[in-house]
Amino acid sequence: KNEVEQSPQNLTAQEGEFITINCSYSVGISALHWLQQHPGGGIVSLFMLSSGKKKHGRLIATINIQEKHSSLHITASHPRDSAVYICAVIVVGNQFYFGTGTSLTVIP
Amino acid sequence: DTGVSQDPRHKITKRGQNVTFRCDPISEHNRLYWYRQTLGQGPEFLTYFQNEAQLEKSRLLSDRFSAERPKGSFSTLEIQRTEQGDSAMYLCASAGYGYTFGSGTRLTVV
Repeated sequence: KNEVEQSPQNLTAQEGEFITINCSYSVGISALHWLQQHPGGGIVSLFMLSSGKKKHGRLIATINIQEKHSSLHITASHPRDSAVYICAVIVVGNQFYFGTGTSLTVIP
Repeated sequence: DTGVSQDPRHKITKRGQNVTFRCDPISEHNRLYWYRQTLGQGPEFLTYFQNEAQLEKSRLLSDRFSAERPKGSFSTLEIQRTEQGDSAMYLCASAGYGYTFGSGTRLTVV
C-alpha cells in the first residue's frame, strides 16, 4: 500500500482545457509538494503547501489537511505543460513519500 | 550555475563493480536528500542529511548503499557490488527555504 496515491495515472487533454490532478495520502504530514518532472528527468518543485491554497501563474494547488487530500489545477493548459506531475509529502523527520506521478500530455 | 549539480550524468557499470555518485547542493542549503527513481515510478526516498549529520538512513535499500556528507557541503552516494536491479536514476535535492532538485545520475548496470 502506498502512503501517497495520485489520480489519474495518465491524462491527455486538449490545449486550453482545465486540468485537475488529485493526491491522497494516509500519513500525518508537515507539508506537501507538487513536483513537475520533464522527459529528461529534471524535477522542479512547483509548490510546497501546508494549508489552504497557492497560485502561481496558471497553476493552483490546494490542500485539505482534514481530508488528507490535495489537488493541482492547471488552467488554460498548453503543450509545454506536458510532463509528469508528482505529489510528495513530508512526514515527521523530514522524510518524503512520493506518489507514482501523473503523466500529462496536452495536445495542440 | 547556482543549482544542484550531480556528477556523473550517466554511468554504465558492470555487475559487481562499485560506483560512487556526487551531489553538490546549493551552498546555503543545509539539508540534502538522495532519491532513486526507476522507470515509470515516482522517486523513492533513500537518505537525508542535515549539515554533515545523516538523520535518516533506514530507507537505504540495502547495506550495499551508503552515503556521506563529510563537511556538510557535497555528498556522495556509493553502491557496492552493483546488481542489475540497481539500474535507475539517482536524484539529489537540497533544501533551505525551498527545495531544488539536481538533474540526476542515470545508472545502468550491465
